[in-house]
Amino acid sequence: KAGVTQTPRYLIKTRGQQVTLSCSPISGHRSVSWYQQTPGQGLQFLFEYFSETQRNKGNFPGRFSGRQFSNSRSEMNVSTLELGDSALYLCASSLGAGQTTDTQYFGPGTRLTVL
Amino acid sequence: AQTVTQSQPEMSVQEAETVTLSCTYDTSESDYYLFWYKQPPSRQMILVIRQEAYKQQNATENRFSVNFQKAAKSFSLKISDSQLGDAAMYFCAYRRRGSNYKLTFGKGTLLTVNP
Repeated sequence: KAGVTQTPRYLIKTRGQQVTLSCSPISGHRSVSWYQQTPGQGLQFLFEYFSETQRNKGNFPGRFSGRQFSNSRSEMNVSTLELGDSALYLCASSLGAGQTTDTQYFGPGTRLTVL
Repeated sequence: AQTVTQSQPEMSVQEAETVTLSCTYDTSESDYYLFWYKQPPSRQMILVIRQEAYKQQNATENRFSVNFQKAAKSFSLKISDSQLGDAAMYFCAYRRRGSNYKLTFGKGTLLTVNP
């Protein structure tokens, strides 16, 4: 089975622009979660989508949004980029139905640099 | 809100020796999962081991084992016979049981393995 893929792997943007990141989960997985990783704040939960619906949301401003498509692929969008949005953005996929043995598998991440 | 604390920012171990990474957490929930994830320099996060809170038996996965002390809210990871490939950032994480797939991470412990 192919793992979680994220595109692009690297991205450079300037302040004020917007950006869209993509995540393709493992085949058969219906849950996709997004995390922001920075040296200062560590790993922080952004949101989780399951069957095209946002199921959980972290404490990020409204500039951060996401969506999930019928094939479970997910995108996250950041509008009006700020320097502090520079980070590694990770997505994780899982079956998502609350099974005891369900495990979240992470993608390689997208490194976003805001200049 | 749940919190996860890793008090050791960095640890080092000699190859073939044993090392223990510490993790404490705070939650008012009685049923949850705990995880140790490994993030090598290539950045792909990999699940090392998981523990279900309702299980008293400590989880083991080959050279990796945990010491889960529910009353003390402690969840340490022991790596036996350390190998050079074990060098990575290790994150302790918490998740509530059920359909909430949000992972709460500690700040991480950078493990160096010396030959």
